[in-house]
Amino acid sequence: AQTVTQSQPEMSVQEAETVTLSCTYDTSESDYYLFWYKQPPSRQMILVIRQEAYKQQNATENRFSVNFQKAAKSFSLKISDSQLGDAAMYFCALLHGANSKLTFGKGITLSVRP
Amino acid sequence: DGGITQSPKYLFRKEGQNVTLSCEQNLNHDAMYWYRQDPGQGLRLIYYSQIVNDFQKGDIAEGYSVSREKKESFPLTVTSAQKNPTAFYLCASSWSRTVLMNTEAFFGQGTRLTVV
Repeated sequence: AQTVTQSQPEMSVQEAETVTLSCTYDTSESDYYLFWYKQPPSRQMILVIRQEAYKQQNATENRFSVNFQKAAKSFSLKISDSQLGDAAMYFCALLHGANSKLTFGKGITLSVRP
Repeated sequence: DGGITQSPKYLFRKEGQNVTLSCEQNLNHDAMYWYRQDPGQGLRLIYYSQIVNDFQKGDIAEGYSVSREKKESFPLTVTSAQKNPTAFYLCASSWSRTVLMNTEAFFGQGTRLTVV
């Protein structure tokens, strides 16, 4: 079985500050990918960042970076220099390579204070 | 343009009627997915398909059915057995071979189903 847990339902950050969103997962497979997706009010799902499980180096995409702790099965997202446009719901997701099963967490609503 | 299309955007049905949601992709992706999104529940997997003519139940398959007769199409039928069908439904697709490939799931814009 594979599960993704996002325990914080809501977070708030001041504009230009840094915020970290937490995610833990559980899987017995070795071939998998992890993702963070953003869902703004339009409800369109947007890929923020991707991490291959076989890569030790943490992924970064401009202001977004992850802290991938494979042994602890933890995959947190750090947003630096937060902008008003970052306000959205963020989902952590786990994709298995063998069977292509893609599982999401419950999401976290991020608000950005001007 | 390549992408994934869900239709319709809004759908209204009477209680007890079956309804089919459409999902089409022209990205040549092998895998396709259906999710249900309710407030506070995140995206819950209904069904997924790794290849044509094959599909697997997700975490909340009861009351739903799917088919995968063509690579580009993965329709979802919400049957009268689904006790609480009103929700936002999202379809997605991705490559099934993830090793050595940059992959991500691409999503449609969703269908809001309201059963009255």
